[in-house]
Amino acid sequence: SAVISQKPSRDICQRGTSLTIQCQVDSQVTMMFWYRQQPGQSLTLIATANQGSEATYESGFVIDKFPISRPNLTFSTLTVSNMSPEDSSIYLCSVNDGLTEAFFGQGTRLTVV
Amino acid sequence: RKEVEQDPGPFNVPEGATVAFNCTYSNSASQSFFWYRQDCRKEPKLLMSVYSSGNEDGRFTAQLNRASQYISLLIRDSKLSDSATYLCVVPKENFNKFYFGSGTKLNVKP
Repeated sequence: SAVISQKPSRDICQRGTSLTIQCQVDSQVTMMFWYRQQPGQSLTLIATANQGSEATYESGFVIDKFPISRPNLTFSTLTVSNMSPEDSSIYLCSVNDGLTEAFFGQGTRLTVV
Repeated sequence: RKEVEQDPGPFNVPEGATVAFNCTYSNSASQSFFWYRQDCRKEPKLLMSVYSSGNEDGRFTAQLNRASQYISLLIRDSKLSDSATYLCVVPKENFNKFYFGSGTKLNVKP
C-alpha cells in the first residue's frame, strides 16, 4: 500500500488567482494521477503526471489551466490557474504501482469565490 | 457507451437487509475489477478486488460475470455504518488508467 499526503486539505480562493496542490507519497510509485470530483459526481481524470516529462492530459483539460509537475517518483503538484467559481470542486491525487489498486490522497476541497 | 456504468441509486434499506449493486463494463479484455467505498467528504478507499470469478470478505461478496460483462457487490446484514457511495472501478490492462463508475449511494436506516 501507499500513504499519500495531500495538501492543502481545503482552501477558499478569489477568482482569477491560482492554487497549487501538493501530493507526497511515502514510497516511489510508477503512476500518479490527478482527479476532479464535482459535488455529487464521480471522479474525472484530469491528467497523468509523468516523472521527467510533460503530463498527459485528458480531453477537456489543458496544461495552461492545470499545469502539473512531477520532479521525482514520490511527489507531484497540480496548479489550478486563473480560477473561476466553476473550478470549485474536490481535487484528488491518486497513485498505483502499475499492478494493483489505486490509492488516494485525502483530497483538496476548493471553493472559488 | 461509457466504460463503466452503475445504477446511481440511492438505495434506501433498513438495517439487516441484503442489498446488491450491479456494475457493467464495456471492455471485454478487462481482467481486474475493484469496488471502492467513498464516505461523504472523504477519499475513495478500496473495499474489494476481483480478479477471477469473485471474492468474499465477511458480509461483502463481489461476483464477476465475464460473459455479461458485469460485476456485482452484495452486502448482507446491512449496518448503519455501511451508508456510503460505492464506486465500481475498472483499470486498463496495464493499469495506466482507471475508469470509474458514477457510484451507487447506499443509505442504511435504523
